[in-house]
Amino acid sequence: EVQLLESGGGLVQPGGSLRLSCAASGFTFSNYAMSWVRQAPGKGLEWVSSITDGGVSTYYADSVKGRFTISRDNSKNTLFLQLSSLRAEDTAVYYCAKLLAATGTDYWGPGTLVTVSS
Amino acid sequence: QPVLTQSSSASASLGSSVKLTCTLSRGHSNYIIAWHQQQPGKAPRHLMKLEGSGSYNKGSGVPDRFSGSSSGAGRYLTISNLQSEDEADYYCETWDGNTRVFGTGTKVTVL
Repeated sequence: EVQLLESGGGLVQPGGSLRLSCAASGFTFSNYAMSWVRQAPGKGLEWVSSITDGGVSTYYADSVKGRFTISRDNSKNTLFLQLSSLRAEDTAVYYCAKLLAATGTDYWGPGTLVTVSS
Repeated sequence: QPVLTQSSSASASLGSSVKLTCTLSRGHSNYIIAWHQQQPGKAPRHLMKLEGSGSYNKGSGVPDRFSGSSSGAGRYLTISNLQSEDEADYYCETWDGNTRVFGTGTKVTVL
C-alpha cells in the first residue's frame, strides 16, 4: 500500500524558514517523480514544485521560485521541501504527491499545515 | 501553459447523477487530465486519468459509480447513484512539460 506522510509544518514568522519532509513507503520511491501541492485556507489546490525520479531536475511555480527548494533522498525514501523567505500568503496545507507518467498525481499524503504569521 | 476551467458548484439529489465539466484552454484540447476528489477536511484522492479519446483509468478502490468521458476540450466526470459521501470538492489536473496545473474545483452538494 502506497503511503506518504508529511512532517515539519508549524508556525513561522514572516521571513523565516521551514523544512518539510515526506516519508514514502509501499512503492519503489526512486522510480517516480514527486511533487508538492499546497492549499491555502478555503482555497483550491496549487502546484508548488516537482522533482524527477533521480532528483536531477527540479521545477517550481513562479510564486515560489527562488524561495523554495525541492530535493529527495532516495536512500531514505524521503522527499523534502525547504521553504525560505516565507510570506503570509504561503500559509497553507502542503501535500506531498506521487506522480505517475501520463496519469498525473496518483497518490496524496494527508498534508502538513504551514502558518506564516507574526 | 494550459488553463483548466471548472464551474464552482453543482448539486443533485441522493441516488441521481451529476456530470462535472473541466474545460481545457485553447490549443490544449488533446491533453490528458486527472480527476481528484477532496472530501471535507481530508486530503485529495485520485479518481482517474482521462484522455481526450474518452478512455479513462480509475484509481485503486474508486467505485464503479464514477466514470469519465471527453468531447473536444471538455473532460467530464459523471457520478451515478449519488451517495452522501460523494459530497466533496472535485478538481481536475493537467500538466505541460514540467508545469502542473489544477482547475479551481467544483463543490458538489448532495440534496
